[in-house]
Amino acid sequence: DTGVSQDPRHKITKRGQNVTFRCDPISEHNRLYWYRQTLGQGPEFLTYFQNEAQLEKSRLLSDRFSAERPKGSFSTLEIQRTEQGDSAMYLCASSRNLGGNEQYFGPGTRLTVT
Amino acid sequence: SQQGEEDPQALSIQEGENATMNCSYKTSINNLQWYRQNSGRGLVHLILIRSNEREKHSGRLRVTLDTSKKSSSLLITASRAADTASYFCATDDSNSGYALNFGKGTSLLVTP
Repeated sequence: DTGVSQDPRHKITKRGQNVTFRCDPISEHNRLYWYRQTLGQGPEFLTYFQNEAQLEKSRLLSDRFSAERPKGSFSTLEIQRTEQGDSAMYLCASSRNLGGNEQYFGPGTRLTVT
Repeated sequence: SQQGEEDPQALSIQEGENATMNCSYKTSINNLQWYRQNSGRGLVHLILIRSNEREKHSGRLRVTLDTSKKSSSLLITASRAADTASYFCATDDSNSGYALNFGKGTSLLVTP
């Protein structure tokens, strides 16, 4: 399977704990995106990488969120001191380094903060 | 804030019927894309239409784009139960690496 993979698929954590999610994009894709989706809503953009450089962060990405993409391959998204409002599906997508291309999404990591 | 708004929010039809979903957006676009999301699965790209195109076909899908009205429609012909899913339109933001701005989606139910 050469699609986008995410791990874990589900995460339940207690408020205040830190969590880290991983995304493995399609190997030849330079761009990697993180989105968050809550129930009944479409995905909302969080941040994106061009190779290893994080080039854009949305205002949704508070200081408790950090993302990395070392060596321009897989990416991690960490949430520190989780809050109940962080409960959501976190989606990763990748695309080729061309403007306006379709993005390929992973299955997502569903986070539940209790 | 989300760029696109789909209409209707929910649609229920029988197998064999056609389903039409509409999308309106706010700002000028490079292209507009439609995605499908099944329950418990990730988003799957369906079709991309560029701002200089008016209509595009892919199998049973037909997408139209009217940039003067800032609107698009997705038509699924001869629907099947397997088409049951949420459908989202998305525009991209060239200032954010072509990150996608999604609407809230249309939930389509196709009953046998």
